[in-house]
Amino acid sequence: DGGITQSPKYLFRKEGQNVTLSCEQNLNHDAMYWYRQDPGQGLRLIYYSQIVNDFQKGDIAEGYSVSREKKESFPLTVTSAQKNPTAFYLCASSGGAGGGYEQYFGPGTRLTVT
Amino acid sequence: AQKVTQAQTEISVVEKEDVTLDCVYETRDTTYYLFWYKQPPSGELVFLIRRNSFDEQNEISGRYSWNFQKSTSSFNFTITASQVVDSAVYFCALNRETSGSRLTFGEGTQLTVNP
Repeated sequence: DGGITQSPKYLFRKEGQNVTLSCEQNLNHDAMYWYRQDPGQGLRLIYYSQIVNDFQKGDIAEGYSVSREKKESFPLTVTSAQKNPTAFYLCASSGGAGGGYEQYFGPGTRLTVT
Repeated sequence: AQKVTQAQTEISVVEKEDVTLDCVYETRDTTYYLFWYKQPPSGELVFLIRRNSFDEQNEISGRYSWNFQKSTSSFNFTITASQVVDSAVYFCALNRETSGSRLTFGEGTQLTVNP
């Protein structure tokens, strides 16, 4: 089955620690995205990548970092510089980077930092 | 700048009622795309429909239908004969045609269908 996997589903960390969220897709999609969702709010774009070894900042990139070394993988690191890291993180991919491509989403990772 | 407004934060209906979720958008582009996504309690967003700005035909898929009106910048979503399984948060989103453009989401509408 083709799809997007994110692991783990729930993640707990102590304040001051960096944490990396995994995102893997086997849809052969070129573009991948990371979003953050806070309770009762819409999705905000953190980073996106149109091709391997290239990525761009989204609207709320501060305190986050990404890499895109393989087409299938787009891990997100939440650094200690992110002031409010507790949130629901969603990874997505699309067949191309043009605006007409629909994005497909993974199941999400719920990160709690105390 | 692009903007999507979903004025209905929460809607509660009884099973079998019809319900319409409103979506109003703002964009200066002449070519753009509109989307609806469903987010059930599990959290994963599910793609429902894409519409481009040149196609104003209404679409029906089972109990779901979409009404796109450029004159009022609206892309409303209607569920006919709602069911408990329709309970979810529904997001309307907008994207430009340009490569590398960013999907702009509305705040979402929480739909609760009661038995």
